[in-house]
Amino acid sequence: QSALTQEASVSGTVGQKVTLSCTGNSNNIGTYAVGWYQQISHGAPKTVMFGNSLPSGIPDRFSGSKSGTTASLTISGLQPEDEADYYCSTWDNSLSAVVFGGGTKLTVL
Amino acid sequence: QLQLQESGPGLVKPSETLSLTCTVSGGSISSSSYYWGWIRQPPGKGLEWIGSIYYTGSTYYNPSLTSRVTVSLHTSKNQFSLKLSSVTAADTAVYYCSRGGLDLVATIWGQGALVAVSS
Repeated sequence: QSALTQEASVSGTVGQKVTLSCTGNSNNIGTYAVGWYQQISHGAPKTVMFGNSLPSGIPDRFSGSKSGTTASLTISGLQPEDEADYYCSTWDNSLSAVVFGGGTKLTVL
Repeated sequence: QLQLQESGPGLVKPSETLSLTCTVSGGSISSSSYYWGWIRQPPGKGLEWIGSIYYTGSTYYNPSLTSRVTVSLHTSKNQFSLKLSSVTAADTAVYYCSRGGLDLVATIWGQGALVAVSS
């Protein structure tokens, strides 16, 4: 049972806008910045968003937001190479631990 | 550009200690701005944080693993390491080293090292 809840799967067509969500509580997402990671074909995860900051080299079609205890990763103009597993993560001050979501499998149709 | 590289045995026997090293290049592990951590991913499963260490040697560990985990710094070599004792098959996973900010959340990842626990 993950501390953060993500959709198991999301799909979209090329060019579409998709939003992935990550839901926690006041001890984690409600207080701390959220990291988003892309994992393609079981390779090493790559950070695609941290808080509202886009790491160097990540296309600006990726954006992040947060409302209360839910964080979102939006991909505008979906591309075939965006097909991957996406994980969210943050600090939890009640667990004194870094927590992850269970991951969302994004399929590009 | 900062790079992290894991190294260590790919096979460990049950009840023994898993040991991995992360070599950091392109930056110093003595920086006061970052935590250095370990994260693992069992085959077909999600990501699990193991623990993190600050340049002062201060550590945080996953409460479910804390009795078996030790993360250490080796500043002269610009490396940090992971030791996980009394391993079982459930510890079989790809182990990633990472750099995170002061909230410990990873922002840079190594390529990962697969460690199998088997006799």
